[in-house]
Amino acid sequence: DVKVTQSSRYLVKRTGEKVFLECVQDMDHENMFWYRQDPGLGLRLIYFSYDVKMKEKGDIPEGYSVSREKKERFSLILESASTNQTSMYLCASFLSSGGHQPQHFGDGTRLSIL
Amino acid sequence: ELKVEQNPLFLSMQEGKNYTIYCNYSTTSDRLYWYRQDPGKSLESLFVLLSNGAVKQEGRLMASLDTKARLSTLHITAAVHDLSATYFCAVEAQSNYQLIWGAGTKLIIKP
Repeated sequence: DVKVTQSSRYLVKRTGEKVFLECVQDMDHENMFWYRQDPGLGLRLIYFSYDVKMKEKGDIPEGYSVSREKKERFSLILESASTNQTSMYLCASFLSSGGHQPQHFGDGTRLSIL
Repeated sequence: ELKVEQNPLFLSMQEGKNYTIYCNYSTTSDRLYWYRQDPGKSLESLFVLLSNGAVKQEGRLMASLDTKARLSTLHITAAVHDLSATYFCAVEAQSNYQLIWGAGTKLIIKP
């Protein structure tokens, strides 16, 4: 089974802090994604990566950056956290679109910015 | 721009009843996914629909795809309490393989 592990289930940080959210997958997947989930808005894509050191902006990249130094790890960085970044953050991965595989999700990190 | 609309967004129903969740999308796509999310949990893949007319069934859930109508349905037969969850559809954008997500349907099944 694919395992996508997010480093924290719950995180509380203060406004202005630099926040790191880590995601690791164990199935050698090429593609990794960071979403945020807010009530009534579904999932919104922040950034995705299709290979090591490659990244693409999603729909809402402002205020975020990402890092993919190794294939199995995809990090989301909040450069200077703000209260409107309080949300559930979900990491996902999949092998490739050609394989018609669904994305596999981690358990999520519920982040609160005070 | 690809947009995905689910309806209803909230559904409360009695056990034993049948109901359908609808997922409409705005531009051409051949790949649609259904996911389930339990409260406080992550998303679990239910179905992958890859072509027009595709139908998949698992237990009391059946999903179908009509690419011409740009519509997928998730049908629940003889609902049971364990099916209470939020259900999401997601459509793959042809241009870059990203998934565009519906807002989710919160389903509550009362015993």
